Amino acid sequence: QVQLVQSGAEVKKPGSSVKVSCKASGGTISTYTFNWVRQAPGQGLEWMGRIIPILSMSNFAQKFQGRVTITADKSTTTAYMELSSLTSEDTAVYYCATEGRVAAAGFDSWGQGTLVTVSS
Amino acid sequence: EIVMTQSPVTLSVSPGERATLSCRASQSVSINLAWYQQKPGQAPRLLIYGASTRATGIPASFSGSGSGTDFTLTISSLQSEDFAVYYCQQYDNWPRTFGQGTKVEIK
Repeated sequence: QVQLVQSGAEVKKPGSSVKVSCKASGGTISTYTFNWVRQAPGQGLEWMGRIIPILSMSNFAQKFQGRVTITADKSTTTAYMELSSLTSEDTAVYYCATEGRVAAAGFDSWGQGTLVTVSS
Repeated sequence: EIVMTQSPVTLSVSPGERATLSCRASQSVSINLAWYQQKPGQAPRLLIYGASTRATGIPASFSGSGSGTDFTLTISSLQSEDFAVYYCQQYDNWPRTFGQGTKVEIK
């Protein structure tokens, strides 16, 4: 199973951007996709988007189109999620999670989460 | 987008009792349905995929059933470590969508 380690907590000003990293170890990068899921305080889980590293192909939830960029570095097995034009509504814990590329079977590995706080 | 609706929002159960959680999809997702457990301050953990297959290391006290639009997660005998929030998720279509969660609390 893949182990995912995310970058540390961030505090950002409204209007700025944040970039969160997610390093994978174990497993084979060609066999899975990286997904990003966020959770606002006291709220549920919200899927943001994903990337297929082997194809460098990504897709996003419509809500985040134009504001989120997801990239992956195959050489370091690290995925990145950058969210721009931050508002207080973006204050949340951001998780990366893997899903099988060929046979989806849920998000089987999760990072520990990265708290992003947007405050002036 | 497929909307996932879970019920109840909160379930109060005594230790040792059975808990039954429901999840309904706004359109058929076949058996492409997963369940997750989340404890405070922790990331979600995959319990069930394919509607009824337990993930690696998940005890047999957890079972899932259903297909199409209606799904159930059953915890046969609640242990102290099972009190948590449970989410269903469909992975039949994009975007992946989650239910709003069911909190299982100690009665």
